[in-house]
Amino acid sequence: DGGITQSPKYLFRKEGQNVTLSCEQNLNHDAMYWYRQDPGQGLRLIYYSQIVNDFQKGDIAEGYSVSREKKESFPLTVTSAQKNPTAFYLCASHFAGPPAYYGNTIYFGEGSWLTVV
Amino acid sequence: AQSVAQPEDQVNVAEGNPLTVKCTYSVSGNPYLFWYVQYPNRGLQFLLKYITGDNLVKGSYGFEAEFNKSQTSFHLKKPSALVSDSALYFCAVEGNTGKLIFGQGTTLQVKP
Repeated sequence: DGGITQSPKYLFRKEGQNVTLSCEQNLNHDAMYWYRQDPGQGLRLIYYSQIVNDFQKGDIAEGYSVSREKKESFPLTVTSAQKNPTAFYLCASHFAGPPAYYGNTIYFGEGSWLTVV
Repeated sequence: AQSVAQPEDQVNVAEGNPLTVKCTYSVSGNPYLFWYVQYPNRGLQFLLKYITGDNLVKGSYGFEAEFNKSQTSFHLKKPSALVSDSALYFCAVEGNTGKLIFGQGTTLQVKP
């Protein structure tokens, strides 16, 4: 079945450590996104990519990095520069076009919990 | 700046009663509006959208939303709530960069 897969579901990071969250989709979607979700703050955009080998910063990109070497993959690295990384991270993808067209076909992964220990 | 606001952190209703989850928006031009639902530890699922046309939009699971241009609102409604409707609901609007902008979310609690 087609879908978007995030892994791991739960991840623990030590102080000063970089960790990478995986996001893979087999939907042939062009665009991919990473959101951070904190209680009471909704979803905040970290990075997004609309084509392979290209990506843009979202609203809270500091302390994060991404790559888009393949269409189906958009990993997110949480670096040691991110001082408060404990959160729920969501990956999403959709076909090219504005939300008016993709808004009902955007797929979200099941999310990854990152906790600093 | 384009934005969307959900003024209630939580809405509590009894099963069988009608429910309303509020959303207001601020955009330039015609708004494209969406509602999504999130169950615990899961991703978001699409419920409905307003692009143009009829102000009353019907969506999944018996939900509907009413677009009100004069009040810049897009409230989510359901005539008869179910306990299984308990979840986190997000309103979203298309931003001027072509990306979705999400509200902060409203927790819906339906009690038996």
